[in-house]
Amino acid sequence: DAEITQSPRHKITETGRQVTLACHQTWNHNNMFWYRQDLGHGLRLIHYSYGVHDTNKGEVSDGYSVSRSNTEDLPLTLESAASSQTSVYFCASGTTYEQYFGPGTRLTVT
Amino acid sequence: GQQVMQIPQYQHVQEGEDFTTYCNSSTTLSNIQWYKQRPGGHPVFLIQLVKSGEVKKQKRLTFQFGEAKKNSSLHITATQTTDVGTYFCAGVMMVGGGKLIFGQGTELSVKP
Repeated sequence: DAEITQSPRHKITETGRQVTLACHQTWNHNNMFWYRQDLGHGLRLIHYSYGVHDTNKGEVSDGYSVSRSNTEDLPLTLESAASSQTSVYFCASGTTYEQYFGPGTRLTVT
Repeated sequence: GQQVMQIPQYQHVQEGEDFTTYCNSSTTLSNIQWYKQRPGGHPVFLIQLVKSGEVKKQKRLTFQFGEAKKNSSLHITATQTTDVGTYFCAGVMMVGGGKLIFGQGTELSVKP
Protein backbone atom coordinates (compact mmCIF):
# COMPACT_ATOMS: atom_id res chain seq x y z
CA ASP A 1 0.00 0.00 0.00
CA ALA A 2 1.09 3.54 -0.71
CA GLU A 3 2.16 5.55 2.29
CA ILE A 4 3.93 8.65 3.55
CA THR A 5 6.59 8.33 6.23
CA GLN A 6 8.58 10.78 8.32
CA SER A 7 11.81 10.38 10.24
CA PRO A 8 12.82 10.78 12.91
CA ARG A 9 9.57 10.70 14.89
CA HIS A 10 11.16 12.52 17.79
CA LYS A 11 14.22 14.75 17.83
CA ILE A 12 15.91 16.87 20.48
CA THR A 13 18.56 19.28 19.30
CA GLU A 14 20.43 22.31 20.53
CA THR A 15 20.05 25.90 19.48
CA GLY A 16 22.18 26.73 16.46
CA ARG A 17 22.49 23.21 15.08
CA GLN A 18 21.38 22.26 11.58
CA VAL A 19 18.57 19.70 11.54
CA THR A 20 17.03 17.80 8.64
CA LEU A 21 13.65 16.11 8.82
CA ALA A 22 12.92 13.45 6.23
CA CYS A 23 9.68 12.86 4.35
CA HIS A 24 9.13 10.01 1.91
CA GLN A 25 5.94 9.18 -0.01
CA THR A 26 5.09 6.29 -2.28
CA TRP A 27 1.84 7.77 -3.62
CA ASN A 28 3.71 9.16 -6.63
CA HIS A 29 2.22 12.58 -5.91
CA ASN A 30 3.79 15.62 -7.52
CA ASN A 31 2.63 17.89 -4.69
CA MET A 32 4.33 17.75 -1.31
CA PHE A 33 3.99 20.05 1.69
CA TRP A 34 5.56 20.77 5.07
CA TYR A 35 3.48 22.14 7.95
CA ARG A 36 4.16 22.94 11.55
CA GLN A 37 1.54 22.58 14.24
CA ASP A 38 1.54 24.64 17.41
CA LEU A 39 -1.16 25.12 20.02
CA GLY A 40 -3.49 27.91 19.02
CA HIS A 41 -2.16 28.15 15.47
CA GLY A 42 -3.47 25.08 13.75
CA LEU A 43 -1.39 23.92 10.79
CA ARG A 44 0.83 26.48 9.12
CA LEU A 45 2.48 25.94 5.77
CA ILE A 46 6.27 26.13 5.74
CA HIS A 47 7.28 25.10 2.21
CA TYR A 48 5.73 23.21 -0.64
CA SER A 49 6.68 21.65 -3.94
CA TYR A 50 4.68 20.91 -7.07
CA GLY A 51 7.30 18.68 -8.64
CA VAL A 52 10.97 17.79 -8.96
CA HIS A 53 13.21 20.83 -8.61
CA ASP A 54 10.22 23.02 -7.72
CA THR A 55 10.04 24.61 -4.24
CA ASN A 56 7.92 27.45 -2.87
CA LYS A 57 7.75 29.39 0.39
CA GLY A 58 4.74 29.12 2.64
CA GLU A 59 3.55 31.51 5.31
CA VAL A 60 6.23 30.61 7.90
CA SER A 61 9.30 29.79 5.79
CA ASP A 62 11.95 31.87 7.60
CA GLY A 63 14.71 29.64 8.95
CA TYR A 64 13.66 26.61 6.88
CA SER A 65 14.63 25.27 3.47
CA VAL A 66 13.62 22.34 1.27
CA SER A 67 14.92 20.67 -1.86
CA ARG A 68 13.17 18.29 -4.24
CA SER A 69 15.52 16.03 -6.20
CA ASN A 70 13.00 13.25 -6.86
CA THR A 71 9.25 12.64 -6.66
CA GLU A 72 9.32 10.63 -3.42
CA ASP A 73 11.27 12.87 -1.03
CA LEU A 74 11.02 16.39 0.36
CA PRO A 75 13.49 16.88 3.23
CA LEU A 76 13.04 19.91 5.47
CA THR A 77 16.18 21.59 6.82
CA LEU A 78 16.40 23.96 9.74
CA GLU A 79 19.54 25.93 8.97
CA SER A 80 20.24 27.03 12.56
CA ALA A 81 17.66 25.69 14.99
CA ALA A 82 15.97 28.16 17.31
CA SER A 83 13.77 27.54 20.35
CA SER A 84 10.87 29.09 18.44
CA GLN A 85 11.09 26.14 16.05
CA THR A 86 10.09 23.66 18.74
CA SER A 87 6.96 22.18 17.24
CA VAL A 88 5.34 19.17 15.63
CA TYR A 89 6.14 18.96 11.92
CA PHE A 90 3.88 17.24 9.42
CA CYS A 91 4.70 16.34 5.87
CA ALA A 92 1.88 15.81 3.40
CA SER A 93 1.45 14.85 -0.22
CA GLY A 94 -1.56 14.93 -2.46
CA THR A 95 -3.61 16.90 -4.93
CA THR A 96 -5.49 20.19 -4.88
CA TYR A 97 -8.49 18.26 -3.51
CA GLU A 98 -6.98 15.92 -0.94
CA GLN A 99 -3.81 15.61 1.11
CA TYR A 100 -2.32 12.64 2.94
CA PHE A 101 -0.33 13.40 6.06
CA GLY A 102 2.64 11.63 7.55
CA PRO A 103 2.73 10.66 11.24
CA GLY A 104 4.65 13.78 12.25
CA THR A 105 8.01 14.62 13.82
CA ARG A 106 8.10 16.15 17.28
CA LEU A 107 11.12 18.48 17.38
CA THR A 108 12.42 20.06 20.57
CA VAL A 109 15.10 22.74 20.40
CA THR A 110 16.86 23.33 23.73
CA GLY B 1 -3.17 37.93 4.10
CA GLN B 2 -5.50 35.14 3.18
CA GLN B 3 -7.17 33.70 6.24
CA VAL B 4 -9.52 30.92 7.20
CA MET B 5 -11.21 31.39 10.55
CA GLN B 6 -12.82 28.52 12.40
CA ILE B 7 -15.10 28.57 15.44
CA PRO B 8 -15.49 27.49 18.11
CA GLN B 9 -11.98 26.63 19.26
CA TYR B 10 -13.29 24.06 21.76
CA GLN B 11 -16.58 22.23 22.16
CA HIS B 12 -17.51 19.91 24.98
CA VAL B 13 -20.66 17.85 24.50
CA GLN B 14 -22.50 15.02 26.17
CA GLU B 15 -22.60 11.85 24.13
CA GLY B 16 -25.69 11.94 21.94
CA GLU B 17 -25.70 15.72 21.54
CA ASP B 18 -25.11 17.38 18.19
CA PHE B 19 -21.99 19.34 17.28
CA THR B 20 -21.28 21.99 14.66
CA THR B 21 -18.09 23.79 13.65
CA TYR B 22 -17.99 26.76 11.30
CA CYS B 23 -15.38 27.97 8.89
CA ASN B 24 -15.10 31.38 7.19
CA SER B 25 -12.67 32.57 4.57
CA SER B 26 -11.64 36.13 3.85
CA THR B 27 -11.65 35.33 0.12
CA THR B 28 -13.54 33.10 -2.29
CA LEU B 29 -12.42 29.50 -2.22
CA SER B 30 -11.83 27.08 -5.07
CA ASN B 31 -12.69 24.22 -2.76
CA ILE B 32 -12.76 23.45 0.94
CA GLN B 33 -11.57 20.31 2.67
CA TRP B 34 -12.20 18.89 6.12
CA TYR B 35 -9.74 16.88 8.18
CA LYS B 36 -9.94 15.10 11.51
CA GLN B 37 -7.01 14.72 13.87
CA ARG B 38 -7.27 12.31 16.78
CA PRO B 39 -5.29 13.16 19.93
CA GLY B 40 -1.63 12.36 19.27
CA GLY B 41 -2.32 11.58 15.63
CA HIS B 42 -2.04 13.22 12.26
CA PRO B 43 -4.73 14.96 10.19
CA VAL B 44 -6.84 12.58 8.14
CA PHE B 45 -8.80 13.71 5.11
CA LEU B 46 -12.59 13.50 5.51
CA ILE B 47 -14.11 15.21 2.48
CA GLN B 48 -13.83 18.00 -0.05
CA LEU B 49 -16.52 20.38 -1.28
CA VAL B 50 -16.21 22.15 -4.61
CA LYS B 51 -19.57 23.49 -5.74
CA SER B 52 -21.42 26.52 -4.42
CA GLY B 53 -24.14 25.40 -1.96
CA GLU B 54 -22.90 21.82 -1.95
CA VAL B 55 -24.03 19.49 0.84
CA LYS B 56 -22.42 16.12 1.45
CA LYS B 57 -23.14 13.50 4.07
CA GLN B 58 -21.03 10.77 5.59
CA LYS B 59 -23.18 8.76 8.02
CA ARG B 60 -23.73 11.17 10.96
CA LEU B 61 -21.54 13.93 9.46
CA THR B 62 -23.01 16.64 7.22
CA PHE B 63 -20.78 19.07 5.36
CA GLN B 64 -21.97 22.27 3.71
CA PHE B 65 -20.31 24.78 1.42
CA GLY B 66 -21.80 28.28 1.29
CA GLU B 67 -23.37 29.84 -1.76
CA ALA B 68 -20.59 32.43 -1.97
CA LYS B 69 -17.91 29.74 -1.50
CA LYS B 70 -16.52 31.63 1.49
CA ASN B 71 -17.89 29.58 4.36
CA SER B 72 -18.48 26.00 5.35
CA SER B 73 -19.77 23.95 8.23
CA LEU B 74 -19.47 20.46 9.63
CA HIS B 75 -22.37 19.08 11.66
CA ILE B 76 -22.23 15.85 13.60
CA THR B 77 -25.54 14.34 14.69
CA ALA B 78 -25.71 12.37 17.94
CA THR B 79 -22.02 12.48 18.82
CA GLN B 80 -20.20 9.37 19.96
CA THR B 81 -16.97 9.01 21.92
CA THR B 82 -15.26 7.96 18.68
CA ASP B 83 -15.89 11.47 17.34
CA VAL B 84 -13.35 12.94 19.77
CA GLY B 85 -10.57 14.90 18.09
CA THR B 86 -9.83 18.17 16.36
CA TYR B 87 -11.66 19.03 13.17
CA PHE B 88 -9.93 21.30 10.68
CA CYS B 89 -11.28 23.02 7.65
CA ALA B 90 -8.79 23.93 4.94
CA GLY B 91 -9.48 26.16 2.00
CA VAL B 92 -7.88 26.35 -1.40
CA MET B 93 -7.99 29.94 -2.59
CA MET B 94 -9.13 30.80 -6.10
CA VAL B 95 -5.84 32.66 -6.48
CA GLY B 96 -2.94 31.15 -4.62
CA GLY B 97 -1.43 28.25 -6.47
CA GLY B 98 -3.54 25.50 -4.94
CA LYS B 99 -2.05 25.40 -1.48
CA LEU B 100 -4.25 24.81 1.55
CA ILE B 101 -4.92 27.43 4.20
CA PHE B 102 -6.00 25.72 7.42
CA GLY B 103 -8.40 27.02 10.01
CA GLN B 104 -7.28 26.86 13.64
CA GLY B 105 -9.40 23.78 14.27
CA THR B 106 -12.21 22.90 16.66
CA GLU B 107 -11.34 20.47 19.43
CA LEU B 108 -14.28 18.23 20.25
CA SER B 109 -14.54 16.34 23.50
CA VAL B 110 -17.42 13.96 24.17
CA LYS B 111 -18.47 12.98 27.66
CA PRO B 112 -19.96 9.49 27.85
